[in-house]
Amino acid sequence: NAGVTQTPKFRVLKTGQSMTLLCAQDMNHEYMYWYRQDPGMGLRLIHYSVGEGTTAKGEVPDGYNVSRLKKQNFLLGLESAAPSQTSVYFCASSYTSGTPLAKNIQYFGAGTRLSVL
Amino acid sequence: GDSVTQMEGPVTLSEEAFLTINCTYTATGYPSLFWYVQYPGEGLQLLLKATKADDKGSNKGFEATYRKETTSFHLEKGSVQVSDSAVYFCALSPTQGGSEKLVFGKGTKLTVNP
Repeated sequence: NAGVTQTPKFRVLKTGQSMTLLCAQDMNHEYMYWYRQDPGMGLRLIHYSVGEGTTAKGEVPDGYNVSRLKKQNFLLGLESAAPSQTSVYFCASSYTSGTPLAKNIQYFGAGTRLSVL
Repeated sequence: GDSVTQMEGPVTLSEEAFLTINCTYTATGYPSLFWYVQYPGEGLQLLLKATKADDKGSNKGFEATYRKETTSFHLEKGSVQVSDSAVYFCALSPTQGGSEKLVFGKGTKLTVNP
């Protein structure tokens, strides 16, 4: 049972570099999310997608872009990394079918720890 | 806007002690409420949930009751184990618009010593 898989697990970037974080889910979920987790801040939503080809901004979208070209994949891009983007990034996915509540039972990946120097 | 406030940690307990982690929320309407748990080095996973007032969610010996009158959803366990050491997040799902999104508290780190 793979569930939600994030790659890479760790990455160190220099300021100004770019990178893409990949999230893949094998549960046929419609909804996918990207969060960042910082000490004392909990989880904050960066961007989310309610279906293939659609994306929307969350609470902290600046400096990030996303794409959902395939239903099972959700990519998070940093075009020009900054030290303020040092964080742990989590991807999650959730159902659409069943009760409305099922949308909010989110399944998380193990995270990507990113350091920007 | 909608928000969740959790007691600040860290919380350190001895094995078999009683656990309470306080959670209160601010939201319009009738949100759904959740507790997620994050074990070291892992992502979050759903621990329990409640969808309406007076509902009690339970799982793995943990319980939480949806209290509309006090806007609270406190997490309790009668006897903690070392394996319960983790970070616990309270969350809500707003009832108005964007019901696919969750609003998380800042998390409470629990350490249980043998």
